Amino acid sequence: QVQLVQSGAEVKGPGASVKVSCKASGYTFTGYYMHWLRQAPGQGLEWMGWVDPNSGGTKYAQKFHDRVTMTRDTSITTVYMEMSRLRSDDTAVYYCVRDVGNWNNYWYFDLWGRGTLVTVS
Amino acid sequence: DIQMTQSPSSLSASVGDRVTISCRASQDITNYLAWYQQKPGNVPELLISAASTLQTGVPSRFSGSGSGTDFTLTISSLQPEDVATYYCQRYNSAVTFGPGTKVNIK
Repeated sequence: QVQLVQSGAEVKGPGASVKVSCKASGYTFTGYYMHWLRQAPGQGLEWMGWVDPNSGGTKYAQKFHDRVTMTRDTSITTVYMEMSRLRSDDTAVYYCVRDVGNWNNYWYFDLWGRGTLVTVS
Repeated sequence: DIQMTQSPSSLSASVGDRVTISCRASQDITNYLAWYQQKPGNVPELLISAASTLQTGVPSRFSGSGSGTDFTLTISSLQPEDVATYYCQRYNSAVTFGPGTKVNIK
């Protein structure tokens, strides 16, 4: 079954760090870029960056470039998003989403994880 | 940075009505435009890519049009299961979402 399974909800204090995992299954893990998006309560969708599971290469949105690190572990087909120096306005649902492109980055998405709620309080 | 706007922000229509949602980019994005549907409590699902290409399994009452800076999502005959928030997204080597349009049944 093609799916992305994310780690559970987190509650963190201001200034802390959080690491969210996303395990992929049912397809060739290294063949598809993985992006991270977030959605604050009642708000729209915000792109954070991508990781190439094949090379480990990354690209981050300018807004997050100094606080976010995206990594992958090919042995367990899992990608990670770590954010540091958390603030209250980082409270959001964080989604890992698969790019549609096979061995290419098309920058839009056909498979979503269920989301991980990160609460900063 | 390219900004995406949508109008209206919300609408209510009757079952069977034709519904039109607009999306505008602040710069030319040719046809690098996707539409997603997010039903209450669910994750977004991809409806349309390349401004007008319907994804497999999406009902034919959905259609997309436009190019450049102005795009439209049309539901030809609104159904109860179409209650959702609809987002446009540009994807020309970067990602920006529109703020969303919430569709309800009158």
